[in-house]
Amino acid sequence: DAGVTQSPTHLIKTRGQQVTLRCSPISGHKSVSWYQQVLGQGPQFIFQYYEKEERGRGNFPDRFSARQFPNYSSELNVNALLLGDSALYLCASSLAQGGYQPQHFGDGTRLSIL
Amino acid sequence: GENVEQHPSTLSVQEGDSAVIKCTYSDSASNYFPWYKQELGKRPQLIIDIRSNVGEKKDQRIAVTLNKTAKHFSLHITETQPEDSAVYFCAAMGGGNQFYFGTGTSLTVIP
Repeated sequence: DAGVTQSPTHLIKTRGQQVTLRCSPISGHKSVSWYQQVLGQGPQFIFQYYEKEERGRGNFPDRFSARQFPNYSSELNVNALLLGDSALYLCASSLAQGGYQPQHFGDGTRLSIL
Repeated sequence: GENVEQHPSTLSVQEGDSAVIKCTYSDSASNYFPWYKQELGKRPQLIIDIRSNVGEKKDQRIAVTLNKTAKHFSLHITETQPEDSAVYFCAAMGGGNQFYFGTGTSLTVIP
């Protein structure tokens, strides 16, 4: 079975632009979470979606938004990009929300802001 | 919200020795604690996890212990090998079903 897949793998944008990152969960997984990982730090929680509804939101500005589609894939959108948005964006999927649900990560999208 | 602290930030051990990484958490409602290994340029990989109703769990050379009263949990790697070299992250799932990660420990196993 394919693992969590993310696209694109790398992306270069300039300040003020908008970006959309995509994630396909493991088959059968209904929950998708997004994380931002700055170099040298642990992943920071951005969003969790389960059954197409937002179930959790981390401490990120409204410039960050996401959605989940009927096939459980997900998109993360970031508007008005800042230099500080440069990071590895990780998507993780799990079977369901809550409980003892291990999260499985994709390879991430490396976003560079110039 | 939850706050997870992880120590040490870097750790070097001789091949065959043991390595111990410690994490503390703040939210008493946290009930699930996974550990991830991240090699350079790769995705975090789940290596072991523990639930709040269990004190210890072992999988071959890797073990995790949890002290709910003290709100701390630890990763133990025995008989370390060069391929164990990576960054290790602890995490805690808080009351809001959100995962909070530690800042990572860079482990180097010296052959």
